[in-house]
Amino acid sequence: SQTIHQWPATLVQPVGSPLSLECTVEGTSNPNLYWYRQAAGRGLQLLFYSVGIGQISSEVPQNLSASRPQDRQFILSSKKLLLSDSGFYLCAWSVLGGRAFFGQGTRLTVV
Amino acid sequence: AQSVAQPEDQVNVAEGNPLTVKCTYSVSGNPYLFWYVQYPNRGLQFLLKYITGDNLVKGSYGFEAEFNKSQTSFHLKKPSALVSDSALYFCAVRDIGYGQNFVFGPGTRLSVLP
Repeated sequence: SQTIHQWPATLVQPVGSPLSLECTVEGTSNPNLYWYRQAAGRGLQLLFYSVGIGQISSEVPQNLSASRPQDRQFILSSKKLLLSDSGFYLCAWSVLGGRAFFGQGTRLTVV
Repeated sequence: AQSVAQPEDQVNVAEGNPLTVKCTYSVSGNPYLFWYVQYPNRGLQFLLKYITGDNLVKGSYGFEAEFNKSQTSFHLKKPSALVSDSALYFCAVRDIGYGQNFVFGPGTRLSVLP
C-alpha cells in the first residue's frame, strides 16, 4: 500500500537559519508531488509541485526552494528563514486522475 | 483558471442534526471534485470524490456529497452529525493542466455541539 512520510513533525528555527524538510513516498512510482503551506489553520497555498525527477514548478516566488532528487523524494529548503516562513507545511502526492494523499505535516516556527 | 469557493467560514450544528458544508466551483471542462477533512495539527484526510457518474457520492464516515452541474456546486452532507465531526473541511478541484494541481477552497470550520 502507498504511504507518505514527512518529517520532522515540529521544528523551531531561528531567523536566518537554513531549512530542510523532507517527504518520501512509498508504494507508487512517478507520482506528482506537492508542497503546500497552511497559515493559521486555514487555506492551503500551493508552493511547489513536481511531475518528475528534477522537474520543479514554483507557484509563489518566495524565500523557499524545492528539489526532487529521486522519484519518490521531495525536499523543501531555505537558505535563510524569515519570520514569515512560519506555518504548517504539507507534502502530498497523487497520480494522474487520482486523489491527493497528504503527509502529517510539519509545524515550523521561526523565532 | 479553476477556483473553489466555500461561502461559510464557520458552520455550527447540534449533534444528531443533519449538516451541510457548501462548496461551489469554477472549472473549464469536466470537474474532478474532492472533499477533505483536517483535524488540528494533522494532514488532510480524504472523504470523497466526484469524477463522473452518479451525482450523489458516498464517502467515508457517513459523509456524502451532491454534485450539481447547473449550480456548479458540490455540497458535503451528513444525515446525523457527531461531535467528532468537528474539524476543518476543504473542498478541492483538480486542475486539468500541467501538474494537475489541486485547488483548495478556503476551508469551513464545522462545530458540532453536544
